[in-house]
Amino acid sequence: SQQGEEDPQALSIQEGENATMNCSYKTSINNLQWYRQNSGRGLVHLILIRSNEREKHSGRLRVTLDTSKKSSSLLITASRAADTASYFCATASDTGRRALTFGSGTRLQVQP
Amino acid sequence: EPEVTQTPSHQVTQMGQEVILHCVPISNHLYFYWYRQILGQKVEFLVSFYNNEISEKSEIFDDQFSVERPDGSNFTLKIRSTKLEDSAMYFCASRDSVGTEAFFGQGTRLTVV
Repeated sequence: SQQGEEDPQALSIQEGENATMNCSYKTSINNLQWYRQNSGRGLVHLILIRSNEREKHSGRLRVTLDTSKKSSSLLITASRAADTASYFCATASDTGRRALTFGSGTRLQVQP
Repeated sequence: EPEVTQTPSHQVTQMGQEVILHCVPISNHLYFYWYRQILGQKVEFLVSFYNNEISEKSEIFDDQFSVERPDGSNFTLKIRSTKLEDSAMYFCASRDSVGTEAFFGQGTRLTVV
């Protein structure tokens, strides 16, 4: 898989349920970031987790990072219809390129 | 809350024409980026800019592309002779230092006809 690949590609859940999205990457990273994109709109930064952190919380979001497995997960608890969007992980290398490398994204549909 | 502003929101151009996409990054940020997203595909890095020069570019960023920071606030992306495959959403981003979150603009949807 390529750097920053998310799974599943699409996820449909009911309002109130939790949504978990996973991201895998290949190279060493300085940090990993999660972004949300509503259809046809801009990228909204959700949370950044550094390579020396294992877990981070922000409101209903919980992000984990396992650098030994080169993977991260984003958990959205008590989902709402307004959470319907595409979610992308993006990695920033710890050497060389400092720009973000994005994954293909997970399309989340929250049914009211 | 400070934000990255991009104009126009939508640009339609004829193949072969030059286009300039405009961005106003967050004022105290030092690192500037252009990314693009072809419809239905992942966001791809084009170029990064720091200290008034390109610090890195991807293989997409060929001789048809250029960036400029003509004054203290604007950051532009120029495509000299547009091709159909340049049709995409172009995002500008900025951040204050390496290792911090990047803030993205709302994007310019470029349609080449």
